[in-house]
Amino acid sequence: NAGVMQNPRHLVRRRGQEARLRCSPMKGHSHVYWYRQLPEEGLKFMVYLQKENIIDESGMPKERFSAEFPKEGPSILRIQQVVRGDSAAYFCASSPRYQDEQYFGPGTRLTVT
Amino acid sequence: EDKVVQSPLSLVVHEGDTVTLNCSYEVTNFRSLLWYKQEKKAPTFLFMLTSSGIEKKSGRLSSILDKKELFSILNITATQTGDSAVYLCASFMNRDDKIIFGKGTRLHILP
Repeated sequence: NAGVMQNPRHLVRRRGQEARLRCSPMKGHSHVYWYRQLPEEGLKFMVYLQKENIIDESGMPKERFSAEFPKEGPSILRIQQVVRGDSAAYFCASSPRYQDEQYFGPGTRLTVT
Repeated sequence: EDKVVQSPLSLVVHEGDTVTLNCSYEVTNFRSLLWYKQEKKAPTFLFMLTSSGIEKKSGRLSSILDKKELFSILNITATQTGDSAVYLCASFMNRDDKIIFGKGTRLHILP
């Protein structure tokens, strides 16, 4: 059973470009969480999705950030018009049930130049 | 404001020592507490604690939750250099759908 997969692993974008981060949950998992880890800070929750639905996006910045988890395909975290402050490691985690233990993907390291 | 606080922030010990990492929480509608180990990649799951006073063990690692005093500890006995990592504590809330992480304890084991 493959673990949580994220791609790309490293992404470099210039200021103003768009970044798309993908997350494929573990087989059988329908709950997906996105986190951001900034240097010297802990993991910060961004958004919780369950197939086709955004359950909680209270940790998402109000502008430029969006997330989706379509019926078919991976979950996507989209950052429009990136700025230097968006540079961070973005982790995705999945779980089989509501508030069950989460399994993390390897992360995508976004660098904005 | 909901928060999870870990201490110490960093710890350096010699191989073979026993360490205790602390995690205190103040969250509304607490449901469970989780421990993760993060090396230079994604966090890996260690324990989920829901009931007070029941110790969970996995090899040299063990953890326990005190819901009255609102804290948990993670013990590592006979430490090895491979235990060097950041250990994260996180809390799930019952009604909300998010999880709050502490800033982690950076553990370094000297050979």
